[in-house]
Amino acid sequence: DAGVIQSPRHEVTEMGQEVTLRCKPISGHDYLFWYRQTMMRGLELLIYFNNNVPIDDSGMPEDRFSAKMPNASFSTLKIQPSEPRDSAVYFCASSTTGKNEQFFGPGTRLTVL
Amino acid sequence: KQEVTQIPAALSVPEGENLVLNCSFTDSAIYNLQWFRQDPGKGLTSLLLIQSSQREQTSGRLNASLDKSSGRSTLYIAASQPGDSATYLCAVLRNTGNQFYFGTGTSLTVIP
Repeated sequence: DAGVIQSPRHEVTEMGQEVTLRCKPISGHDYLFWYRQTMMRGLELLIYFNNNVPIDDSGMPEDRFSAKMPNASFSTLKIQPSEPRDSAVYFCASSTTGKNEQFFGPGTRLTVL
Repeated sequence: KQEVTQIPAALSVPEGENLVLNCSFTDSAIYNLQWFRQDPGKGLTSLLLIQSSQREQTSGRLNASLDKSSGRSTLYIAASQPGDSATYLCAVLRNTGNQFYFGTGTSLTVIP
């Protein structure tokens, strides 16, 4: 299996622009998680899905952030409009019911100028 | 709310030394505990997963133990090597819900 796939790996954008991050979970995994990692706050859970349905989005910082999972093999995290304080590494992870072992993607390093 | 603490925040040891990393959590009602390794600029790599019914798991030079009643887990690394230098994070999954709670990590440096 290719593991969790994220794109792009790096994104540099200007303040006010829309940013879309993409994730493909491991095939057969029914849970998908979006995290943000910064030096100041460490790893933060933003939102997670089960069977494509958002279960807990309490970690989403503001209305500027939104996430979707239209099918079992694809999810997006969108920031609109982006701000410099959104600069961070965004990780996607997936797991299966039962064993619940998380597997992480390589992350997207976002820089908002 | 579950709180996860890792001590020490940073550790530097000479090559060949055995070492222990600590992880503590406040709510013992956990489903499992997972140890990860993160290299600079990279994602998290799963090292070991311990289910709540287990006491320990081993993989090569790594051994993770779990004591739910005291809210502690340790990651033991035998005969450390420079390639072990990385940040190690633990994460716990509670019995309710499916949210993982992460510690802040221990940054390990193994000196050749």
